[in-house]
Formats: sequence, C-alpha cells, structure tokens
Amino acid sequence: GDSVTQKQGQVTLSEDDFLFINCTYSTTTYPTLFWYVQYPGQGPQLLLKVTTANNKGISRGFEATYDKGTTSFHLQKASVQESDSAVYFCALVGYMGYKLTFGTGTSLLVDP
Amino acid sequence: DMKVTQMPRYLIKRMGENVLLECGQDMSHETMYWYRQDPGLGLQLIYISYDVDSNSEGDIPKGYRVSRKKREHFSLILDSAKTNQTSVYFCASRDRGHAETLYFGSGTRLTVL
Repeated sequence: GDSVTQKQGQVTLSEDDFLFINCTYSTTTYPTLFWYVQYPGQGPQLLLKVTTANNKGISRGFEATYDKGTTSFHLQKASVQESDSAVYFCALVGYMGYKLTFGTGTSLLVDP
Repeated sequence: DMKVTQMPRYLIKRMGENVLLECGQDMSHETMYWYRQDPGLGLQLIYISYDVDSNSEGDIPKGYRVSRKKREHFSLILDSAKTNQTSVYFCASRDRGHAETLYFGSGTRLTVL
C-alpha cells in the first residue's frame, strides 16, 4: 500500500532561518502529493499540492518539488516567521484514488 | 466559504459507554472521511464515505462504525468505547473540483476514562 515517511518529528528554528522538512513516499500509482499544515486547535489545511512529477508547488513562500526519481517531496521555505509555527504533514493520494495517506507530521517551532 | 463542522469539540465518556461524533458540511461534497490523530502517529483513516449509504473501511476501522443518511452529515459511532479510543477525531470532506483537496473540521477531542 501507499506510505509516507517524515523522519523529523520536531524542528526548532529562529526567525529568518531556512526551513527544510524531509518527506519521502512509496506508492505503486501516479500520486498527487500534498503538504498540509495544522495550527493549534485546528484541523489540517492544505498548504500546497503537486499533481505532476518534476513540478514544483508554491504557496505562501513555501515550496516543494515532486521528485519521482528519489520519491521525495521535501518542503522548503527561505525565511521562516514565528507565525509559521505549526505541524506540517506530507500526504499522498493515488491516481484516481480516494484515500489520502499522511505522514506522521513534523512540528515546527520558530523562536522570535 | 467552505466549512466542515464537528460536534462536540470536547467529550468525556466512561469505558463501555456509546459515543456519537457528528460532522456536517455545507459544500455538497460526495466523499467524506473520519480520521483520528494521536501523537507520533499522524492521521489514521478510520472510514471513507463515497456518498449516502456508501461507506468503506479505512486502515483502522475496528471498534468504529459510521452512518451517512444525508450527503451533508457523516457520523462516527463507538459502541462500548474503550480507553484506547481516546484521541482527537477529525472529519473531512473532499472537493472533487479542487483536485482532491480535503477540508477538515476542527476536531473532537474524546477522552474515554
């Protein structure tokens, strides 16, 4: 079945630092890949998605590239702010599928 | 504005009691989901509903059942709740017109004592 791996459970940065959150995936289909963000007390919300291999998704200063060769979809941001503190989930859905499979999440804490 | 509403936000039950978690959406989305979230485990899929009375088990359906009699409402039922069902439960609906984007509610924090 499909799986998503996020090895970083927690990341702590200072404002204006560079953010890199690792995500790798495994699937037998042609997936759509997502990053969801969850703020305290809320449900996850879509941050960005990419449907086509080798394409990049960009939203609110965050970006992620769907790399089929390395089966990776790492999330990056050049300069984080305190307001970016949240939990970030990598996820995938298989081609024409309904089931969204999530990684275990990476908690980002940005110190002011 | 697309909205998924979950009730209640917080619930405390004793082991063996029945639990009903309710979810509503105002977007006429066909597909809805129930997930649970536990520390270190991320979001785990309990059930998918493709439309009224068309439900399918997810990855961890044991101990749960669902009901969808109207497209706007999707209920999660725990018959005889167990302490290991203490968790945060999220309902979501899927926007087919927005490339499979899921919209989540704010969650129900269930504690089973």
